[in-house]
Amino acid sequence: QVQLQESGPGLVKPSETLSLTCTVSGDSVSSDTHYWTWIRQPPGKGLEWIGSLSYSEGANYNPSLKSRATISLARSESQFSLQLNSLTAADTAFYYCARVLISGNGGRGWFDPWGQGTLVTVSS
Amino acid sequence: DIVMTQSPDSLAVSLGERATINCKSSQTVLYSSNNMNYLAWYQQKPGQPPKLLIYLASTRAPGVPDRFSGSGSGTDFTLTISSLQAEDVALYYCQQFYYTPLTFGGGTKVEIK
Repeated sequence: QVQLQESGPGLVKPSETLSLTCTVSGDSVSSDTHYWTWIRQPPGKGLEWIGSLSYSEGANYNPSLKSRATISLARSESQFSLQLNSLTAADTAFYYCARVLISGNGGRGWFDPWGQGTLVTVSS
Repeated sequence: DIVMTQSPDSLAVSLGERATINCKSSQTVLYSSNNMNYLAWYQQKPGQPPKLLIYLASTRAPGVPDRFSGSGSGTDFTLTISSLQAEDVALYYCQQFYYTPLTFGGGTKVEIK
């Protein structure tokens, strides 16, 4: 059974950089079978795709984030990470990592399973 | 970007009755080379992450009860709960994966009448 778990700070100051890690069990982020993704959800609001990563094809991102996001593989085959810089209050959200089940190139697919999510608050 | 519009924003249905949620995409998500619709549905209960229900518009994810069904093609899609149970109270989202950026609908809240 594949499981994902996000970890990182719950509070970050404006203008700083957020760093989150997703730990995967039951699958390897180094396989070519899947992409791995980050999605966020401001409290009480809808879902926004941040970007997705494949070991062999690299990452692609939502242009709405204006190049502030970087998704990368971590040192372990069971982890990948998200960095988001130049934070503002608008970046306050639950951040979820998930596996992408692929139906098209560039990581286009559906998300299953999801991590439990971690709330990140941007405030001084 | 493909804009996904869900309707209604919320609905209240009696236990055992049918619930119908609509999702409309601003462009087709039907991939002509394989005749598949690149659309998924998710359920999100309070305090939980979204859970995959349906992918490729009409294929139920493993373990999803058969009272959940997806239909539609091109730009218009429907998620139907044939007989609403108490545990189905949740937010429901559609998502397109035809183009990046991958985008979601705004969500539909299902409650018990």
